[in-house]
Amino acid sequence: EAGVTQSPTHLIKTRGQQATLRCSPISGHTSVYWYQQALGLGLQFLLWYDEGEERNRGNFPPRFSGRQFPNYSSELNVNALELEDSALYLCASSWGVNEQFFGPGTRLTVL
Amino acid sequence: AQSVTQPDIHITVSEGASLELRCNYSYGATPYLFWYVQSPGQGLQLLLKYFSGDTLVQGIKGFEAEFKRSQSSFNLRKPSVHWSDAAEYFCAVGAGNNDMRFGAGTRLTVKP
Repeated sequence: EAGVTQSPTHLIKTRGQQATLRCSPISGHTSVYWYQQALGLGLQFLLWYDEGEERNRGNFPPRFSGRQFPNYSSELNVNALELEDSALYLCASSWGVNEQFFGPGTRLTVL
Repeated sequence: AQSVTQPDIHITVSEGASLELRCNYSYGATPYLFWYVQSPGQGLQLLLKYFSGDTLVQGIKGFEAEFKRSQSSFNLRKPSVHWSDAAEYFCAVGAGNNDMRFGAGTRLTVKP
């Protein structure tokens, strides 16, 4: 069974640009979660999608947004990139109220 | 809302020595508790979980954790550490509604 996949592996952008990160959940999982892991800051919850709807978001500005598609895959969009957005972005998926399974992450570097 | 504290930012142990990583949680009801491990530049892998029942939980890679309600703790243990255990360890608490909060992590270094 394939795990959670994320693309791209690495992404380099400049300040002010937009970044799009993609995530495919494990087959059968309907919930997708996005986390930001900046250096020294642990995992910060960004967004939770379930059945195509945004269910919860963390304490991040509106320029962090996303969506979930009918096949349950998800996109995270970050607009007007700032230097401090440089981080590892992790996607996780789950089915119901169960443990989350994580992808390998996308390393975003903002120059 | 629930929260997690991992008091130790960094721990160093010798290979073959025992290991205990501390985790304290705050939540008003019975929590869902997890331990994850993250190797450098990688995603998180689930080591073990506690939902209910036996308070001593066995996980992968020889790890175990014990849920102690009276102490609001869920400490991770391993009797003999291997060099490959060097990684970052995260404790997490769920409220049963898909809302999971992670601790800041404990980085484990293993000395030869």
